Amino acid sequence: DQQVKQNSPSLSVQEGRISILNCDYTNSMFDYFLWYKKYPAEGPTFLISISSIKDKNEDGRFTVFLNKSAKHLSLHIVPSQPGDSAVYFCAASGLTGANSKLTFGKGITLSVRP
Amino acid sequence: GAGVSQTPSNKVTEKGKYVELRCDPISGHTALYWYRQSLGQGPEFLIYFQGTGAADDSGLPNDRFFAVRPEGSVSTLKIQRTERGDSAVYLCASSFSGTSGGSEQFFGPGTRLTVL
Repeated sequence: DQQVKQNSPSLSVQEGRISILNCDYTNSMFDYFLWYKKYPAEGPTFLISISSIKDKNEDGRFTVFLNKSAKHLSLHIVPSQPGDSAVYFCAASGLTGANSKLTFGKGITLSVRP
Repeated sequence: GAGVSQTPSNKVTEKGKYVELRCDPISGHTALYWYRQSLGQGPEFLIYFQGTGAADDSGLPNDRFFAVRPEGSVSTLKIQRTERGDSAVYLCASSFSGTSGGSEQFFGPGTRLTVL
């Protein structure tokens, strides 16, 4: 029973174009949604997050959109750069205490072509 | 400042053996989490500590797995009678307070466990 789903295993985009990474969830009790980026042989690195009370959060080239009615979020990277090539994990959690544990999707491998 | 560190980075053991995996969180972080990542999967929650106590161990797969954090800093994940299915990357993360909003989890590089 996967509560966070990333249905596309990979995405390839041209440098300078937009990358759109999608994520769906089933648990309506999640309060917080996060994106982590992971390079080989390293741990996941926090990228950006959004509270369930918001529908958009922007940080530089990265924007996360949340559609609560559809239980869907997406990460937009624009413009994409070759250094963005990595595995991206969508994650969700409650807010505090034991609910702060993260539930991850399977990840999507992004390749940005020079 | 130093991030989360984990030792060893790689551990190869034989089926049936006992292993210990160590995590050094960021100084001052009260919350500590263990996750396990199998090939082709995202990390899966194992256990959460707030200070010295295990506040949630619902992710531990069975009683062969145990974790401690005796002084509220370093944590050790212990696996008894290892099985081939235990092979995975074990990730540790810490956060300042264990509150998702504004207190993100910082991950270590992981320990790759291989059970032969």
